Amino acid sequence: NAGVTQTPKFQVLKTGQSMTLQCAQDMNHNSMYWYRQDPGMGLRLIYYSASEGTTDKGEVPNGYNVSRLNKREFSLRLESAAPSQTSVYFCASSEAYYASGGSSTRQTQYFGPGTRLLVL
Amino acid sequence: QKEVEQDPGPLSVPEGAIVSLNCTYSNSAFQYFMWYRQYSRKGPELLMYTYSSGNKEDGRFTAQVDKSSKYISLFIRDSQPSDSATYLCAMSRTSYGKLTFGQGTILTVHP
Repeated sequence: NAGVTQTPKFQVLKTGQSMTLQCAQDMNHNSMYWYRQDPGMGLRLIYYSASEGTTDKGEVPNGYNVSRLNKREFSLRLESAAPSQTSVYFCASSEAYYASGGSSTRQTQYFGPGTRLLVL
Repeated sequence: QKEVEQDPGPLSVPEGAIVSLNCTYSNSAFQYFMWYRQYSRKGPELLMYTYSSGNKEDGRFTAQVDKSSKYISLFIRDSQPSDSATYLCAMSRTSYGKLTFGQGTILTVHP
């Protein structure tokens, strides 16, 4: 299993250009997420998809759009890139499951290797 | 004020030291608490997972949650150079919900 894969690994854009970041998971997870990571800010949720066919805004959705293409794939699009979108972007997926012997569930988010984006 | 606060460090310790990493939070609705480890230029990976208050131990790692103080900790015993990474705390209100991350603490363990 490859887990969560992301393409491209690195991209340089000029202000105003558009691009799509691709993410795919082979773990049959229902939920997928897009985060951005900036120095001193930790990981911030951009958009997420709880299940195939649904998407919702996270903490920092402005300037981004997403598409849950199917259960495996979740893409992030920058329509008009800005220097403030220079960041490292991570895709993640998760599946809730029941802990053995108890009624609680837990989710583990599995992350991809990231895409480094530089907007000039 | 951020919902989750984490001292970014950097923290540098000698091999074999006990490391203590901490996060505070303001939202009393958080019930699920996690620690992720992130090596340089890699994605985060789940290290510890705790539900509600209490302690959880896994090898050299111990996670503690004190909901009354809104404070969580990760202890690393007998630290190794391979533990050098960024450690991120994360928490959520539900088991399937969105995660809120701390800023991450950069840890270096030197031989």
